[in-house]
Amino acid sequence: QVQLVESGGGVVQPGRSLRLSCAASGFTISQYGMHWVRQAPGKGLEWVTFISYDGSNKQYADSVKGRFTISKDSSKNTLYLQVNSLRPEDTAVYHCVKEGVYSGSYPFDSWGQGTLVTVSS
Amino acid sequence: QSVLTQPPSASGTPGQRVTISCSGSSSNIESNNVYWYQQLPGTAPKLLIYGNNQRPSGVPDRFSGSKSGTSASLAISGLRSEDEADYYCAAWDDSLSGLVFGGGTKLTVL
Repeated sequence: QVQLVESGGGVVQPGRSLRLSCAASGFTISQYGMHWVRQAPGKGLEWVTFISYDGSNKQYADSVKGRFTISKDSSKNTLYLQVNSLRPEDTAVYHCVKEGVYSGSYPFDSWGQGTLVTVSS
Repeated sequence: QSVLTQPPSASGTPGQRVTISCSGSSSNIESNNVYWYQQLPGTAPKLLIYGNNQRPSGVPDRFSGSKSGTSASLAISGLRSEDEADYYCAAWDDSLSGLVFGGGTKLTVL
């Protein structure tokens, strides 16, 4: 079955960087679009970024554009999120999400449990 | 402030039917598919509805989705205690070139 396991979160000072990883199993990431979605403590869901199945198309939320970079290593079946210039408002659980293909619709059909990033001095 | 607008809370008694609304615009709900996700306390979200009104396998037919113009809604009939959760609508936004979520609706089963 599909499994997504995130890692790399932690406590970091403002302005510093982290690289989040998402190890996928049960499917091949080179065949599906992948996303990162975050959730600040006690708050709602916020879409962060997307990478297409072949890596040719990437999209970012305005709040992270220029600071975050999504990438993947198909040989390792792993998705990454490089997060730079971190701000306190980036504090959140970061979920790795698989995009499904359902009759022309592309819902998020599998979610990882997430990795917590805390930005604090 | 979320691009899609949901009521922050909703409630009902067991067996009742409740509806959660999601209001957007021509650049998101009106021109793209709407999705609904359920997030039980302490867990990752789960897909409830895709393509405006389609249920993935395993989702009970008590859950239904609809869309009209720039608004969408999720209906839950035969309310059960295990339906107590946060519910989020989502849609792609052509103007933002990104996915947008509603702020979420906390459903309480009284």
